[in-house]
Amino acid sequence: GDSVTQMEGPVTLSEEAFLTINCTYTATGYPSLFWYVQYPGEGLQLLLKATKADDKGSNKGFEATYRKETTSFHLEKGSVQVSDSAVYFCALSEGGNKLVFGAGTILRVKS
Amino acid sequence: DVKVTQSSRYLVKRTGEKVFLECVQDMDHENMFWYRQDPGLGLRLIYFSYDVKMKEKGDIPEGYSVSREKKERFSLILESASTNQTSMYLCASSFVGTGGYEQYFGPGTRLTVT
Repeated sequence: GDSVTQMEGPVTLSEEAFLTINCTYTATGYPSLFWYVQYPGEGLQLLLKATKADDKGSNKGFEATYRKETTSFHLEKGSVQVSDSAVYFCALSEGGNKLVFGAGTILRVKS
Repeated sequence: DVKVTQSSRYLVKRTGEKVFLECVQDMDHENMFWYRQDPGLGLRLIYFSYDVKMKEKGDIPEGYSVSREKKERFSLILESASTNQTSMYLCASSFVGTGGYEQYFGPGTRLTVT
């Protein structure tokens, strides 16, 4: 079945550092790919998405590119802030309404 | 703004109790979902509903049931709570579609079963 694998955390960075959180997926077809973020004490909210190969999703300085050849959707940000500290989830949706989530990666940003 | 609300943020119940978790959305979404979130396991789908009175099992339905009598409301029921059901429960809703459709999440209910 479909699955999503994310890099294990926690990832700890200093403010203004470059962020990469790796995400790879397994799917039988051509899924849509998502990054969700969960701030402390809150539910998940959509950060960005891409619906076909080579699409780049971007929001709030974060971006991720849908790479079909490597089945990856890595999340990047050029300069993280303390306010970016959260749990990040990679997810996919294949031909339906359900999402399959990765295990989540905790990001901690120190000032 | 889409709003998904859950009846409680924190709940403590005893083993064997019947537990109701309520979720309400205000965007006329057809789909509603219940997940549980556990450290290192991400979110796992318990049940979802694509219409009133319709439901479909997710990946971990054992020990749970659901009810959807009105479009905006989706309830998760633990018939006889057990300690291994201690978890964070998240409700979500979305429009019907084939991929690319955002799910909107509630704030979660942290359930502790003692």
